[in-house]
Formats: sequence, structure tokens, C-alpha cells
Amino acid sequence: EDKVVQSPLSLVVHEGDTVTLNCSYEVTNFRSLLWYKQEKKAPTFLFMLTSSGIEKKSGRLSSILDKKELFSILNITATQTGDSAIYLCAVKGSQGNLIFGKGTKLSVKP
Amino acid sequence: KAGVTQTPRYLIKTRGQQVTLSCSPISGHRSVSWYQQTPGQGLQFLFEYFSETQRNKGNFPGRFSGRQFSNSRSEMNVSTLELGDSALYLCASSFGPLGSNSPLHFGNGTRLTVT
Repeated sequence: EDKVVQSPLSLVVHEGDTVTLNCSYEVTNFRSLLWYKQEKKAPTFLFMLTSSGIEKKSGRLSSILDKKELFSILNITATQTGDSAIYLCAVKGSQGNLIFGKGTKLSVKP
Repeated sequence: KAGVTQTPRYLIKTRGQQVTLSCSPISGHRSVSWYQQTPGQGLQFLFEYFSETQRNKGNFPGRFSGRQFSNSRSEMNVSTLELGDSALYLCASSFGPLGSNSPLHFGNGTRLTVT
């Protein structure tokens, strides 16, 4: 059965800390892995990863995929209170299936 | 470019009723997919429509159905509502179908409460 597992489920840090969020998966015919940030309603797109070992970067956020070990990490450096959100990992299969993890709830304290 | 628009934002219904939710995708996007989000189960895939055809369906009962119009707008219908259907319903659009490498863009969702 296809599954995506995120860890930790929740995390509390202080401003300025660096965090690493994990996403492991077992999905038939892997196509891509996506990261989203959900604050109140709509998840907003962060990254899409299709190739192993190539880091994607956007400001203080970066992500990398390991297709051999079937996982991805999302790093956030110098965290700010505005980074508080649920971070969702989703994996697409080429058959059109899309599986989400349950998310990591990140709380950044001032 | 306008984002994905979902209406209504909030709905309160009673058990046994039916409900229709609407989703207008980003202009030019042909794929619309629907998701149910609850605290216990997270985000779960309902179904995807691409060029007016249902391409994939998640593990939900037949009470959940949808359709897509020629302008790519989509509707989702839930009949014979149950208390457990209370959730945030999100739709997402993308240029290509779910099996492609097009990223998904989500709407703000419809919060459905069943009493």
C-alpha cells in the first residue's frame, strides 16, 4: 500500500534555530515529491523534487530528495515566527495517484 | 493571474442532506483534483478531473461524486451527508494531469460542518 510518513509530527523551536523536517515514502511508480506550507487554509507550494541529490533552494528553505533511500528533507534555517505552519509532503505516482503525509506542525517561538 | 477559487467558504448542513461545492481553477489549468482534510486523517485524495474526464478516484464511498465542465470549473457533490463528512474540502488545479510533473495549486477550501 502506498504511504508517505512525515516526522516529527510536531516541533517547537525558537527564532533563529535551524529545523529539518523528514518525509519518507513508498509509492508505486514514483513521479515527484512535493512540499507545501499550510498556515490557515490553502497549502502553498514550496518545492517539487524529481531527481535525487539536487538541492532546491528558496531563501531560507531548501529541500533534497534521495530516491534510493526513498526520503526527502526540508530544511529551514534562521527560523522566524512566520515559519509557523503545517508542512505537508506529498508524493505523486505516474498513475496519477497522489499521497499526502499527515504533516509536521512547526511552531516557532519568539 | 487569479488563483484557485472555491465557493462557498463555509457550509453548515444536517445529516441526510446533500451539498455541492464549486472550484474554479487557475486560468489555463485543465486538471482539478479534490481533497478532504480532517485532523485525524490529514489530506486525502478524493478524485481528479482532467479535460472533463475523471482520471483517478480515491477510497471514498459513492456518495462523493464530481464533474468538470468545458471551462475546467469543477463541482463536487456529497449526498446523504454523515457527521463524519465534516471537514475542510480543498481543490487544487494544475496545468497537466496528476501523473505529470505539474505542481498543484490549492484553493482556500470549503469548511463543511454536518450537524
